[in-house]
Amino acid sequence: GAVVSQHPSWVICKSGTSVKIECRSLDFQATTMFWYRQFPKQSLMLMATSNEGSKATYEQGVEKDKFLINHASLTLSTLTVTSAHPEDSSFYICSAPLGQTYEQYFGPGTRLTVT
Amino acid sequence: GQNIDQPTEMTATEGAIVQINCTYQTSGFNGLFWYQQHAGEAPTFLSYNVLDGLEEKGRFSSFLSRSKGYSYLLLKELQMKDSASYLCAVMDSNYQLIWGAGTKLIIKP
Repeated sequence: GAVVSQHPSWVICKSGTSVKIECRSLDFQATTMFWYRQFPKQSLMLMATSNEGSKATYEQGVEKDKFLINHASLTLSTLTVTSAHPEDSSFYICSAPLGQTYEQYFGPGTRLTVT
Repeated sequence: GQNIDQPTEMTATEGAIVQINCTYQTSGFNGLFWYQQHAGEAPTFLSYNVLDGLEEKGRFSSFLSRSKGYSYLLLKELQMKDSASYLCAVMDSNYQLIWGAGTKLIIKP
């Protein structure tokens, strides 16, 4: 089946620094990828839709200058959390759709802790 | 607005059957998904329904009624490893997934 990887799986950073998270589709091409954030005991919250070759589409309330998304190729999208603060600590998950049903394949997630 | 409703938490006994309901109101409909998510992990795909009726896959079955905006996930012969959150998601007319808040299923011995 389709596989999506994420790197790193977890990261701890200091407040004010930037963190880059990579999302790769390993055995298929993804012109679109989705970035989600999930706080403890809460459901997935879509942050943005990453589009290869064009600008990302951000959901209402998500700061595009803080969460930089770059869809560099058909298999790679990156999310950079700039000037991270403790409130950005969360579980970040990417997904890529595939097939006629547009089923989303999820990466394993990245747990970010900002101290 | 778009809305997905599912119970927050359910408890069931090992070996029993449990049904998790999901009702939805969305802008258009291009299918309904059920995902399983264990704590600290990413969601994994369970089922997809786009036509009315029941889809059976091993111990798990999913039902859809588009006219009622209703789906359920049926889990049979419950095992302890089935303890997880179950997420209902509807794909709207823009092929965007609208997610429910998830149902935490607790399995007791």
